[in-house]
Amino acid sequence: GESVGLHLPTLSVQEGDNSIINCAYSNSASDYFIWYKQESGKGPQFIIDIRSNMDKRQGQRVTVLLNKTVKHLSLQIAATQPGDSAVYFCAEDRLAFGKGNQVVVIP
Amino acid sequence: GAGVSQSPSNKVTEKGKDVELRCDPISGHTALYWYRQRLGQGLEFLIYFQGNSAPDKSGLPSDRFSAERTGESVSTLTIQRTQQEDSAVYLCASSLALGNGYTFGSGTRLTVV
Repeated sequence: GESVGLHLPTLSVQEGDNSIINCAYSNSASDYFIWYKQESGKGPQFIIDIRSNMDKRQGQRVTVLLNKTVKHLSLQIAATQPGDSAVYFCAEDRLAFGKGNQVVVIP
Repeated sequence: GAGVSQSPSNKVTEKGKDVELRCDPISGHTALYWYRQRLGQGLEFLIYFQGNSAPDKSGLPSDRFSAERTGESVSTLTIQRTQQEDSAVYLCASSLALGNGYTFGSGTRLTVV
């Protein structure tokens, strides 16, 4: 069936470096994508979203890139901070969430 | 309220009992979602409410699960005859409409013993 999934289970990054988290999706008709962050013991927190008519969207220290040709989504975090340590999920609107990608920031 | 409120925050129940979980969405948010998250797993979509439209129940795992929503306010998720595999965190989220970023509550941690 259609699915959204993440490539890497864990990403360790040095504080201050940039982080890139990747996500593949299979439904070419997907119109809306979201990135969430989930810290231990907390509910998911919306980070940024992007619609299929865009290929890039920037927020505060975060950028989401959408490549519809290869059905790939990425989240870039600039100058990663210890507070960025969390599990990051990509989602196709409400319907699909992968297991998440753990980001560990090394001080 | 300022955010999505869920209650109880923790629930321990005996196998076979029924449980009811509550979600208070952000005022004015017409869309409401329920998810289940098992330990170390991603979010599993359960059900979606949008205004007065018929809910999307496609994610409910069995007929033991049901959910109701009164207008555009409180929603309750009911699990009948709970089983140990129902143990998980149940998360509620709301948004202004489908296709907008969602705000999640902190969840209800359900433990079936």
